Amino acid sequence: DQQVKQNSPSLSVQEGRISILNCDYTNSMFDYFLWYKKYPAEGPTFLISISSIKDKNEDGRFTVFLNKSAKHLSLHIVPSQPGDSAVYFCAASARYGGSQGNLIFGKGTKLSVKP
Amino acid sequence: DADVTQTPRNRITKTGKRIMLECSQTKGHDRMYWYRQDPGLGLRLIYYSFDVKDINKGEISDGYSVSRQAQAKFSLSLESAIPNQTALYFCATSDHKTSGGARETQYFGPGTRLLVL
Repeated sequence: DQQVKQNSPSLSVQEGRISILNCDYTNSMFDYFLWYKKYPAEGPTFLISISSIKDKNEDGRFTVFLNKSAKHLSLHIVPSQPGDSAVYFCAASARYGGSQGNLIFGKGTKLSVKP
Repeated sequence: DADVTQTPRNRITKTGKRIMLECSQTKGHDRMYWYRQDPGLGLRLIYYSFDVKDINKGEISDGYSVSRQAQAKFSLSLESAIPNQTALYFCATSDHKTSGGARETQYFGPGTRLLVL
């Protein structure tokens, strides 16, 4: 049973517009969430994270929003640039509950930003 | 130089062969992980190690074994490779000694592409 879901396998956005990538989770023990970005032939690189005590975290063009009641988080990229084209993975972890803080990843969303 | 390195970057092997994938890190992190990525399935945890004497199975450990030779080295072995182990394999590290309430962030190597014929 998938605990972290990214229901959109792909997303296409025009350069300069906003990209919104969505992620849903089912485990209420998750209390820390991360977004990773992956280019072809490279390993995933950490992008931004958010703790469950917050509902928003911003870093430059990237903002992550967390809605705990809906068990939903989203990554906003504004403005989108062609170099943002990559696969984005959502990940979650739980400090307690037996998983030892390990990350659970979604299946990823491939973002294409068109010039 | 890269903080997390993996060797080899690409490997083709035959069914039944034993192979080893190696991971080294210069980040000084105590925790290391092995994941595999399959198309459409995201990243799944194979094994993880919180220190040299601590090895734990992940979600999909069957058919794999690991060795933590030193704090900086964590190798993954396929004792008898089979075609459904064809995948992209990633090593990752993290430091549990975070401060200021921050939680661990995992840092990934560049990956090893494995093809089992």
